Amino acid sequence: DVKVTQSSRYLVKRTGEKVFLECVQDMDHENMFWYRQDPGLGLRLIYFSYDVKMKEKGDIPEGYSVSREKKERFSLILESASTNQTSMYLCASSRLAGGSSYEQYFGPGTRLTVT
Amino acid sequence: QQQVKQSPQSLIVQKGGISIINCAYENTAFDYFPWYQQFPGKGPALLIAIRPDVSEKKEGRFTISFNKSAKQFSLHIMDSQPGDSATYFCPSNTGKLIFGQGTTLQVKP
Repeated sequence: DVKVTQSSRYLVKRTGEKVFLECVQDMDHENMFWYRQDPGLGLRLIYFSYDVKMKEKGDIPEGYSVSREKKERFSLILESASTNQTSMYLCASSRLAGGSSYEQYFGPGTRLTVT
Repeated sequence: QQQVKQSPQSLIVQKGGISIINCAYENTAFDYFPWYQQFPGKGPALLIAIRPDVSEKKEGRFTISFNKSAKQFSLHIMDSQPGDSATYFCPSNTGKLIFGQGTTLQVKP
């Protein structure tokens, strides 16, 4: 059974803290993605990665960075958390290209609250 | 950047009815048109996808209809059930998926 796991389901952090969200996939997928989901704004792409040590900005990268040191792991970093980063964060993975690249597998999400 | 426009934003259907969600796209270079389903508290999951050279694809009660000339594709849920209540997305597919707000479907018992 394919699986994308995220390190925490719920997280509460204080403003200004450095926050790490971890994502691990066991499908040997090349692509990994980080999204945030907010009511009324849908699912928005923050960063993605096509390969180890590679990263590409999505639509809303400001205030975030990422790290991909191993193929199966993709981390989202909030350098200095702010209240407007309170959101549901979703990680996903997919094959690099070909007929199945539209099929992304999502993790269960991390509900982050910044106070 | 939105290349796919989805409607309606929300939909309420009685149990046993037909739910219809529409998407209009701009880019003709998509190789697949996928639909995702997301239940509350869960991540989205691929529901069904169609190639642009196919006019219709059916999987159980779920059918995608594709109209290339109109640049539209639709998701039909036949005999809608309360368990179908979820948010449905038709993301644009240009190497990476761009999701919008989706359509929140509520099926009333």
